[in-house]
Amino acid sequence: GDSVTQMEGPVTLSEEAFLTINCTYTATGYPSLFWYVQYPGEGLQLLLKATKADDKGSNKGFEATYRKETTSFHLEKGSVQVSDSAVYFCALISGNKLVFGAGTILRVKS
Amino acid sequence: DTEVTQTPKHLVMGMTNKKSLKCEQHMGHRAMYWYKQKAKKPPELMFVYSYEKLSINESVPSRFSPECPNSSLLNLHLHALQPEDSALYLCASSQEPSLASTDTQYFGPGTRLTVL
Repeated sequence: GDSVTQMEGPVTLSEEAFLTINCTYTATGYPSLFWYVQYPGEGLQLLLKATKADDKGSNKGFEATYRKETTSFHLEKGSVQVSDSAVYFCALISGNKLVFGAGTILRVKS
Repeated sequence: DTEVTQTPKHLVMGMTNKKSLKCEQHMGHRAMYWYKQKAKKPPELMFVYSYEKLSINESVPSRFSPECPNSSLLNLHLHALQPEDSALYLCASSQEPSLASTDTQYFGPGTRLTVL
Protein backbone atom coordinates (compact mmCIF):
# COMPACT_ATOMS: atom_id res chain seq x y z
CA GLY A 1 0.00 0.00 0.00
CA ASP A 2 0.89 3.65 -0.09
CA SER A 3 3.47 4.77 2.45
CA VAL A 4 5.56 7.70 3.65
CA THR A 5 9.15 7.59 4.82
CA GLN A 6 10.73 10.40 6.82
CA MET A 7 14.28 10.93 7.93
CA GLU A 8 14.91 9.74 11.44
CA GLY A 9 15.47 12.25 14.15
CA PRO A 10 16.01 13.92 16.35
CA VAL A 11 17.38 16.73 14.25
CA THR A 12 19.24 19.25 16.40
CA LEU A 13 20.08 22.66 14.99
CA SER A 14 21.26 26.00 16.25
CA GLU A 15 19.02 29.02 15.89
CA GLU A 16 19.14 30.59 12.38
CA ALA A 17 20.43 27.37 10.80
CA PHE A 18 18.97 25.98 7.57
CA LEU A 19 16.51 23.12 7.98
CA THR A 20 15.76 20.19 5.70
CA ILE A 21 13.56 17.28 6.75
CA ASN A 22 13.41 14.61 4.10
CA CYS A 23 10.16 12.92 3.11
CA THR A 24 9.67 10.39 0.34
CA TYR A 25 6.50 8.56 -0.57
CA THR A 26 5.25 5.50 -2.38
CA ALA A 27 1.83 5.84 -3.95
CA THR A 28 -0.30 4.74 -6.83
CA GLY A 29 -1.43 7.91 -8.51
CA TYR A 30 -0.63 11.41 -7.32
CA PRO A 31 -2.10 12.07 -3.89
CA SER A 32 -2.04 15.37 -2.06
CA LEU A 33 0.93 15.69 0.28
CA PHE A 34 0.96 17.37 3.67
CA TRP A 35 3.25 18.49 6.44
CA TYR A 36 1.74 18.61 9.91
CA VAL A 37 3.50 20.03 12.96
CA GLN A 38 2.93 19.03 16.58
CA TYR A 39 4.27 21.36 19.24
CA PRO A 40 4.93 19.91 22.70
CA GLY A 41 1.69 19.04 24.49
CA GLU A 42 -0.52 20.02 21.55
CA GLY A 43 -2.47 18.49 18.69
CA LEU A 44 -1.48 18.41 15.02
CA GLN A 45 -1.54 21.60 12.99
CA LEU A 46 -1.53 21.67 9.23
CA LEU A 47 1.70 23.38 8.23
CA LEU A 48 1.44 23.22 4.45
CA LYS A 49 0.19 21.09 1.60
CA ALA A 50 0.56 20.51 -2.12
CA THR A 51 -2.04 18.90 -4.32
CA LYS A 52 -0.16 18.19 -7.56
CA ALA A 53 3.28 17.73 -9.02
CA ASP A 54 5.56 20.80 -8.92
CA ASP A 55 3.24 22.58 -6.48
CA LYS A 56 5.05 24.38 -3.70
CA GLY A 57 3.36 24.64 -0.32
CA SER A 58 4.54 27.36 2.04
CA ASN A 59 3.65 28.73 5.45
CA LYS A 60 5.46 30.47 8.32
CA GLY A 61 8.75 30.43 6.37
CA PHE A 62 8.53 26.69 5.69
CA GLU A 63 8.40 25.37 2.13
CA ALA A 64 8.02 22.00 0.43
CA THR A 65 7.80 21.14 -3.28
CA TYR A 66 5.91 18.14 -4.64
CA ARG A 67 8.52 16.30 -6.75
CA LYS A 68 6.98 13.55 -8.84
CA GLU A 69 10.31 12.47 -10.38
CA THR A 70 11.91 11.77 -7.01
CA THR A 71 8.64 11.02 -5.14
CA SER A 72 9.69 13.51 -2.50
CA PHE A 73 8.22 16.34 -0.46
CA HIS A 74 11.14 17.64 1.61
CA LEU A 75 10.44 20.33 4.19
CA GLU A 76 12.81 23.34 4.28
CA LYS A 77 13.20 26.53 6.23
CA GLY A 78 15.95 29.07 5.73
CA SER A 79 16.41 30.14 9.36
CA VAL A 80 14.94 28.13 12.22
CA GLN A 81 13.93 29.55 15.58
CA VAL A 82 13.72 27.94 19.00
CA SER A 83 9.93 28.13 18.67
CA ASP A 84 10.12 25.74 15.69
CA SER A 85 11.06 22.90 18.04
CA ALA A 86 8.36 20.31 17.46
CA VAL A 87 7.57 17.00 15.78
CA TYR A 88 6.98 17.20 12.03
CA PHE A 89 4.84 14.62 10.21
CA CYS A 90 4.74 14.12 6.46
CA ALA A 91 1.50 12.56 5.21
CA LEU A 92 -0.56 11.66 2.16
CA ILE A 93 -4.12 10.59 1.51
CA SER A 94 -4.60 6.98 0.46
CA GLY A 95 -7.82 4.99 0.39
CA ASN A 96 -9.73 7.83 2.06
CA LYS A 97 -7.29 7.81 4.99
CA LEU A 98 -4.32 9.90 6.02
CA VAL A 99 -1.10 7.92 5.91
CA PHE A 100 1.60 9.41 8.14
CA GLY A 101 5.34 9.09 8.23
CA ALA A 102 6.95 8.18 11.54
CA GLY A 103 7.58 11.82 12.43
CA THR A 104 10.81 13.77 12.85
CA ILE A 105 11.67 15.52 16.10
CA LEU A 106 13.29 18.92 15.58
CA ARG A 107 15.21 20.57 18.43
CA VAL A 108 16.49 24.10 17.96
CA LYS A 109 19.05 25.44 20.43
CA SER A 110 19.56 29.13 21.17
CA ASP B 1 -11.85 29.43 10.56
CA THR B 2 -10.42 25.91 10.69
CA GLU B 3 -10.95 25.17 14.37
CA VAL B 4 -11.74 21.84 15.91
CA THR B 5 -12.27 21.95 19.67
CA GLN B 6 -11.94 19.11 22.16
CA THR B 7 -12.86 18.74 25.81
CA PRO B 8 -11.55 17.97 28.30
CA LYS B 9 -7.90 18.81 27.73
CA HIS B 10 -6.79 16.27 30.33
CA LEU B 11 -8.62 13.28 31.81
CA VAL B 12 -7.59 10.82 34.49
CA MET B 13 -9.79 7.79 35.02
CA GLY B 14 -9.76 4.45 36.77
CA MET B 15 -10.32 1.18 34.99
CA THR B 16 -13.91 0.93 36.25
CA ASN B 17 -14.93 4.48 35.32
CA LYS B 18 -17.09 5.64 32.45
CA LYS B 19 -16.13 8.90 30.81
CA SER B 20 -16.64 10.70 27.51
CA LEU B 21 -14.50 12.80 25.24
CA LYS B 22 -16.11 15.53 23.18
CA CYS B 23 -15.22 17.10 19.86
CA GLU B 24 -16.87 19.96 17.99
CA GLN B 25 -16.41 21.67 14.63
CA HIS B 26 -18.44 24.44 13.00
CA MET B 27 -16.88 24.40 9.56
CA GLY B 28 -19.70 22.41 7.97
CA HIS B 29 -17.38 19.45 7.50
CA ARG B 30 -19.08 16.19 6.56
CA ALA B 31 -16.53 13.77 8.01
CA MET B 32 -15.16 13.50 11.53
CA TYR B 33 -12.43 11.24 12.90
CA TRP B 34 -11.02 9.85 16.13
CA TYR B 35 -7.32 9.06 16.40
CA LYS B 36 -5.17 7.64 19.17
CA GLN B 37 -1.60 8.85 19.50
CA LYS B 38 1.08 7.34 21.70
CA ALA B 39 4.16 9.34 22.61
CA LYS B 40 6.58 9.99 19.73
CA LYS B 41 4.39 8.07 17.27
CA PRO B 42 2.10 9.19 14.47
CA PRO B 43 -1.66 9.20 15.11
CA GLU B 44 -3.51 5.92 14.55
CA LEU B 45 -6.98 6.08 13.04
CA MET B 46 -9.76 4.64 15.21
CA PHE B 47 -13.11 5.71 13.73
CA VAL B 48 -14.51 7.72 10.85
CA TYR B 49 -17.98 9.25 10.69
CA SER B 50 -19.38 10.39 7.38
CA TYR B 51 -22.66 12.27 7.31
CA GLU B 52 -23.11 11.31 10.98
CA LYS B 53 -22.86 7.61 10.21
CA LEU B 54 -19.99 5.36 11.23
CA SER B 55 -18.11 4.51 8.05
CA ILE B 56 -14.82 3.12 9.36
CA ASN B 57 -13.98 1.23 12.55
CA GLU B 58 -10.34 0.20 12.58
CA SER B 59 -11.01 -2.89 14.72
CA VAL B 60 -11.10 -0.82 17.89
CA PRO B 61 -11.99 -2.65 21.14
CA SER B 62 -15.59 -2.24 22.25
CA ARG B 63 -14.53 -0.40 25.40
CA PHE B 64 -14.31 2.60 23.03
CA SER B 65 -17.73 3.62 21.76
CA PRO B 66 -18.09 6.53 19.33
CA GLU B 67 -21.19 8.60 18.84
CA CYS B 68 -22.09 11.38 16.42
CA PRO B 69 -25.19 13.20 17.75
CA ASN B 70 -25.20 15.74 14.90
CA SER B 71 -23.01 17.02 12.11
CA SER B 72 -20.97 19.26 14.43
CA LEU B 73 -20.39 16.96 17.38
CA LEU B 74 -18.46 13.77 17.93
CA ASN B 75 -18.16 11.90 21.20
CA LEU B 76 -16.00 9.02 22.33
CA HIS B 77 -17.42 7.06 25.26
CA LEU B 78 -14.91 5.21 27.39
CA HIS B 79 -15.62 2.27 29.68
CA ALA B 80 -13.45 -0.30 31.42
CA LEU B 81 -10.25 1.02 29.89
CA GLN B 82 -6.82 -0.44 30.48
CA PRO B 83 -3.64 1.43 31.44
CA GLU B 84 -2.29 0.81 27.93
CA ASP B 85 -5.14 2.95 26.60
CA SER B 86 -3.42 6.00 28.08
CA ALA B 87 -2.62 8.26 25.13
CA LEU B 88 -3.48 11.52 23.39
CA TYR B 89 -6.86 11.24 21.67
CA LEU B 90 -7.22 13.49 18.67
CA CYS B 91 -10.34 14.49 16.81
CA ALA B 92 -10.23 15.70 13.21
CA SER B 93 -12.63 16.77 10.51
CA SER B 94 -12.62 17.18 6.75
CA GLN B 95 -14.91 18.77 4.20
CA GLU B 96 -15.77 15.78 2.06
CA PRO B 97 -17.77 12.78 3.35
CA SER B 98 -14.90 10.51 2.38
CA LEU B 99 -11.37 11.83 2.41
CA ALA B 100 -10.76 12.71 -1.22
CA SER B 101 -7.25 13.01 -2.55
CA THR B 102 -7.50 16.80 -2.60
CA ASP B 103 -9.17 17.19 0.79
CA THR B 104 -7.55 18.33 4.03
CA GLN B 105 -7.96 17.06 7.57
CA TYR B 106 -7.96 19.54 10.45
CA PHE B 107 -7.10 18.36 13.93
CA GLY B 108 -8.16 19.45 17.38
CA PRO B 109 -5.74 19.98 20.29
CA GLY B 110 -6.43 16.55 21.75
CA THR B 111 -7.41 15.06 25.11
CA ARG B 112 -4.57 13.65 27.18
CA LEU B 113 -6.02 10.51 28.78
CA THR B 114 -4.43 8.69 31.70
CA VAL B 115 -5.89 5.38 32.85
CA LEU B 116 -4.86 4.31 36.34
